[in-house]
Amino acid sequence: KAGVTQTPRYLIKTRGQQVTLSCSPISGHRSVSWYQQTPGQGLQFLFEYFSETQRNKGNFPGRFSGRQFSNSRSEMNVSTLELGDSALYLCASSLARQARWTEAFFGQGTRLTVV
Amino acid sequence: AQSVTQLDSHVSVSEGTPVLLRCNYSSSYSPSLFWYVQHPNKGLQLLLKYTSAATLVKGINGFEAEFKKSETSFHLTKPSAHMSDAAEYFCVVTRGGSARQLTFGSGTQLTVLP
Repeated sequence: KAGVTQTPRYLIKTRGQQVTLSCSPISGHRSVSWYQQTPGQGLQFLFEYFSETQRNKGNFPGRFSGRQFSNSRSEMNVSTLELGDSALYLCASSLARQARWTEAFFGQGTRLTVV
Repeated sequence: AQSVTQLDSHVSVSEGTPVLLRCNYSSSYSPSLFWYVQHPNKGLQLLLKYTSAATLVKGINGFEAEFKKSETSFHLTKPSAHMSDAAEYFCVVTRGGSARQLTFGSGTQLTVLP
């Protein structure tokens, strides 16, 4: 069974540009969450999508957005990049059943460097 | 609101000696607690989880953790460290049993000395 796949693995962008990151969840998983990991702030929740709808959002500016497609694949977009957006962006997928805990499986992440 | 505090940013142990990584939590709700491990250039892997069943939780690779409500703690232990245990460890809390929005601690870097 394939795991969570994130592409690309590495990106270098210039300040002011925009970037799109992709996440393919485990087959059958309908929930996709995104996290930002930086040395200063640690791991922070960005947003979560389920059945193409954003259900939860973390405390990030509107430059950070995302979407989910009918096949559960998700993309996140960051517009007008700033140096502080340099981070490892992690995607996690889960079954998201209400009745019991379902494990969140993480991808290897996309390393974004803004110069 | 919920949060976790990992009390040590770095822990060093010798191979074969016990490991203790400390975590305290704060939650307005009945929490679910987890430990994740992150090896260099790898994603996060779930070590173990507490979701209101047994308070002593056993995980993978010989790790275990005990949920202590009176102390609001969820410390991670292992009787004997192995070189392959060297990694960063994260204590995580979430509301109820939801995997959808995880709140991470700041992480503990474990070094295992030969």
